[in-house]
Amino acid sequence: EADIYQTPRYLVIGTGKKITLECSQTMGHDKMYWYQQDPGMELHLIHYSYGVNSTEKGDLSSESTVSRIRTEHFPLTLESARPSHTSQYLCASSGASGGGYEQYFGPGTRLTVT
Amino acid sequence: KNQVEQSPQSLIILEGKNCTLQCNYTVSPFSNLRWYKQDTGRGPVSLTIMTFSENTKSNGRYTATLDADTKQSSLHITASQLSDSASYICVVSDRGSTLGRLYFGRGTQLTVWP
Repeated sequence: EADIYQTPRYLVIGTGKKITLECSQTMGHDKMYWYQQDPGMELHLIHYSYGVNSTEKGDLSSESTVSRIRTEHFPLTLESARPSHTSQYLCASSGASGGGYEQYFGPGTRLTVT
Repeated sequence: KNQVEQSPQSLIILEGKNCTLQCNYTVSPFSNLRWYKQDTGRGPVSLTIMTFSENTKSNGRYTATLDADTKQSSLHITASQLSDSASYICVVSDRGSTLGRLYFGRGTQLTVWP
């Protein structure tokens, strides 16, 4: 089982609140990712990082921001939550492997904004 | 446009029966194809990963096939168990960037009944 953790697992919060979703991995992977997934839909990449102090936006536009100050930590922040941010957020990491950068996923954070 | 299409969208089978899930893709240039299992409310877990030169790969009761010429893959589940109930996601990686960009299908929701 991959050593990648996300907290909280579930979060219900009111509109306008600032939230931070935590993601940590203990595998020493350089690359980390944030995906957004709505029920029955595919995962969409919203942020990624090649390493410390590197962050990039993904394919899906998102009002969230990320930071990568330490290799193992890749938190995602929403400054002002809105109901449209309600979704599942999945964090992943990858390192070099023979098969081509296998991505390991965390358990996800189910966010509901009321 | 790089796309991954899966069929059927959902499937119900009885415990002990076999089933086959399909994946068609248009991702180019192709690097590898992965099948993930995602339990409800959890992150995806890798089942198999195949590169261009591999036609088949097994992981216990799961057998994946790849036809890179027709850009099709299938996942065959043998002697299904209740714990196989999950979403099965086909994911294709391209060779176009060092990120190893992943393209996700929407998944096939499999339900195994006793």
